[in-house]
Amino acid sequence: DADVTQTPRNRITKTGKRIMLECSQTKGHDRMYWYRQDPGLGLRLIYYSFDVKDINKGEISDGYSVSRQAQAKFSLSLESAIPNQTALYFCATSAASTDTQYFGPGTRLTVL
Amino acid sequence: RKEVEQDPGPFNVPEGATVAFNCTYSNSASQSFFWYRQDCRKEPKLLMSVYSSGNEDGRFTAQLNRASQYISLLIRDSKLSDSATYLCVVNDGNKLVFGAGTILRVKS
Repeated sequence: DADVTQTPRNRITKTGKRIMLECSQTKGHDRMYWYRQDPGLGLRLIYYSFDVKDINKGEISDGYSVSRQAQAKFSLSLESAIPNQTALYFCATSAASTDTQYFGPGTRLTVL
Repeated sequence: RKEVEQDPGPFNVPEGATVAFNCTYSNSASQSFFWYRQDCRKEPKLLMSVYSSGNEDGRFTAQLNRASQYISLLIRDSKLSDSATYLCVVNDGNKLVFGAGTILRVKS
């Protein structure tokens, strides 16, 4: 089984809809991250969490919110999706003692 | 100026060739450096960390030049399976900053 899983893997939705992307990990890591990837721009950090009670905004948090339900679960929400939120979204985890991040398989989101 | 800049490529090389990628970063206080590999539509995976003294892992060699704020990756004896996007990554305090990636295509 994969250590970092994301659901759904693909989603097509309409402008204005609320969307939740979920991430779960079995690595026992405290730190979790949400990124989006757009062609030519690389990965950009949306939110990150260093433990269950810690939530931090990243580079591009506007239009997004997160919830850290447990050490193993970190969800990303788009309250009212817009077309420029069409992207590939990755969740990642890391241990507190290292910078190395482990990524989930990604969620491809299309907002029409 | 972007925090981490890479030549996007693509680099098209024959099997067996040696190819080098470069990356520059803007934050002189950065302490950790990495190369990640990303296959098409897949998640990024750590290829190697980059140490000040330079480090080698099989056919891959990474170098760091702190004075010039420059990181490199050298791939020797390229294989078809090396075809991917290579991401230069820099630690910026509590978070990693990713370059946009360099595309490598190895052809037979």
